[in-house]
Amino acid sequence: QVQLQESGPGLVKPSQTLSLTCTVSGGSISSGDYYWNWIRQHPGKGLEWIGYIYYSGSTYYNPSLKSRLTISRDTSKNQFSLKLSSVTAADTAVYYCARRIEAGLGGRDYFDYWGQGSLVTVSS
Amino acid sequence: DIQMTQSPSSLSASVGDRVTITCRASQSISAYVNWYQQKPEKAPKLLIYAASILQSGVPSRFSGSGSGTDFSLTISSLQPEDFATYYCQQSYSTPYTFGQGTKLEIK
Repeated sequence: QVQLQESGPGLVKPSQTLSLTCTVSGGSISSGDYYWNWIRQHPGKGLEWIGYIYYSGSTYYNPSLKSRLTISRDTSKNQFSLKLSSVTAADTAVYYCARRIEAGLGGRDYFDYWGQGSLVTVSS
Repeated sequence: DIQMTQSPSSLSASVGDRVTITCRASQSISAYVNWYQQKPEKAPKLLIYAASILQSGVPSRFSGSGSGTDFSLTISSLQPEDFATYYCQQSYSTPYTFGQGTKLEIK
């Protein structure tokens, strides 16, 4: 059973960098045909996809965040990380890490495992 | 970006009711739609993928249909544990986008 767990500071000051780590157990982030994603949810709002790192190490970011975003990985620890720079109050959200699988044709492309979420508040 | 528009935004229903939530994409996305259930303070849970395929372990009262731009999630007989918020999501192209959610409440 794959499990994901987010960790990181719950409070970040404006203009600083938000950093979160997702620790994966039950499967390797560097094997299998999986995409390791970050998704966020503003308080009381819907879900916003942030970006992913592929098992090969390649990345893809939401263009709306691309200029401030870095997703990286540490395969020795089976972790992947998010860094979002120059944060403002608009970045206050619950941040989820999630695994995405492409399981063939016909639309078989979905987020099947999620972490429990980590609330990050941007405030001075 | 592909916009996903869900309706209704909220819905009141009773245990045993049949309910349907719809999702419309701003362009044709074949069957690249997934449905998630989210309960308060919890992560979303995958219910349906590829528009109509039930995720393993999900009760058969949940079903999905649609193709192209119009999709629906149906719960055939509401159970108390089904009161939650439901989201559609397109996986046709990046950036992946979600609907705004439908909150299903007890009448």
